Amino acid sequence: SQKIEQNSEALNIQEGKTATLTCNYTNYSPAYLQWYRQDPGRGPVFLLLIRENEKEKRKERLKVTFDTTLKQSLFHITASQPADSATYLCALDGSGNTPLVFGKGTRLSVIA
Amino acid sequence: ETGVTQTPRHLVMGMTNKKSLKCEQHLGHNAMYWYKQSAKKPLELMFVYSLEERVENNSVPSRFSPECPNSSHLFLHLHTLQPEDSALYLCASSQGLAGFEQYFGPGTRLTVT
Repeated sequence: SQKIEQNSEALNIQEGKTATLTCNYTNYSPAYLQWYRQDPGRGPVFLLLIRENEKEKRKERLKVTFDTTLKQSLFHITASQPADSATYLCALDGSGNTPLVFGKGTRLSVIA
Repeated sequence: ETGVTQTPRHLVMGMTNKKSLKCEQHLGHNAMYWYKQSAKKPLELMFVYSLEERVENNSVPSRFSPECPNSSHLFLHLHTLQPEDSALYLCASSQGLAGFEQYFGPGTRLTVT
């Protein structure tokens, strides 16, 4: 069955550094991969979508890579700030009408 | 605000009660979803509607009953729930089923006593 793993449950990083979060998947060939941010007690908020034929996508301080050979996506936040502290979710969907499948998320804490 | 609203935000109900969760999207989207989020577990997809037709039902117990009267509204009817059903219930919408980002509501925090 499909399996999505986000590298760690929690990640602590010092303000100003680059945070790197990992999403690995098995038994799956997603056509798209998405990243969401979720704050406590609130719904996830969409950040970035990357397609299987794209290697990299950027949005302001965010960068996502997608390696279909390694079956891995990396999510980077450069010049991290305490306001970036949240849980980040990786989600994948296939072609056709397959709904999104979410990972458990990584809780990022940026320490001032 | 994401354009997706949910009511109520908090709900406490006994195991014999009947209640309903409501979701409304103001984005003109064609697909709507119900998710369950429990502590330490990934988001669990419960139901998917596309153009008001149910397209996915992930073996959800019959004590959860969805209703989609039109493309803007989605309900989740609850009856005879169990304590393990306590969770955050999230509604989401998207323009289509695949390859589109989802917009989530704030969720309903449900506690079953």
